[in-house]
Amino acid sequence: KAGVTQTPRYLIKTRGQQVTLSCSPISGHRSVSWYQQTPGQGLQFLFEYFSETQRNKGNFPGRFSGRQFSNSRSEMNVSTLELGDSALYLCASSPTGGNYGYTFGSGTRLTVV
Amino acid sequence: GENVEQHPSTLSVQEGDSAVIKCTYSDSASNYFPWYKQELGKRPQLIIDIRSNVGEKKDQRIAVTLNKTAKHFSLHITETQPEDSAVYFCAASSGGGNQFYFGTGTSLTVIP
Repeated sequence: KAGVTQTPRYLIKTRGQQVTLSCSPISGHRSVSWYQQTPGQGLQFLFEYFSETQRNKGNFPGRFSGRQFSNSRSEMNVSTLELGDSALYLCASSPTGGNYGYTFGSGTRLTVV
Repeated sequence: GENVEQHPSTLSVQEGDSAVIKCTYSDSASNYFPWYKQELGKRPQLIIDIRSNVGEKKDQRIAVTLNKTAKHFSLHITETQPEDSAVYFCAASSGGGNQFYFGTGTSLTVIP
């Protein structure tokens, strides 16, 4: 079966712009989580969605937001981009959340210039 | 919240030797501990996991041990091969909200 699909794979944006990233989970998976990966900070949790509801949120500013659609696809938005937002953004899906190992997508590499 | 610490940050071993990566966690409510392998430019992939009601789990050349009292868990790779070279991440979760807390990663290099 198809894995977790993230689009686009690469993005270059200018400071102050906004960006939207997309994640399509594995078919049948209803939980989608987002992580920011940077060399210095490792994998940091952004938020998790289940059945179109945000269940949990990490310690990121309000510029980072997300949503989930009825087909479980999820989008993440970052407004007013800063240089420090440059990172690999990973999404992961799991059947229902809870203690299941995630399946990660390949990520979107965002570069802010 | 949970805090996961991982050591060492880099590890080099000769092919055929064993490698051990250690993680500690702070939240006694954490009950699920997966390990992920991330090759350069690729997605993290789950390689093994352990739940708090189990002390050890093995899958071919890899094993994970958990000490709940001391709040630490370790990844053991035996008979290492060059294809084991990657960054390994440990994680901990208490299950609620499907939030995982990750260690900062260990870059393992297996020297042929």
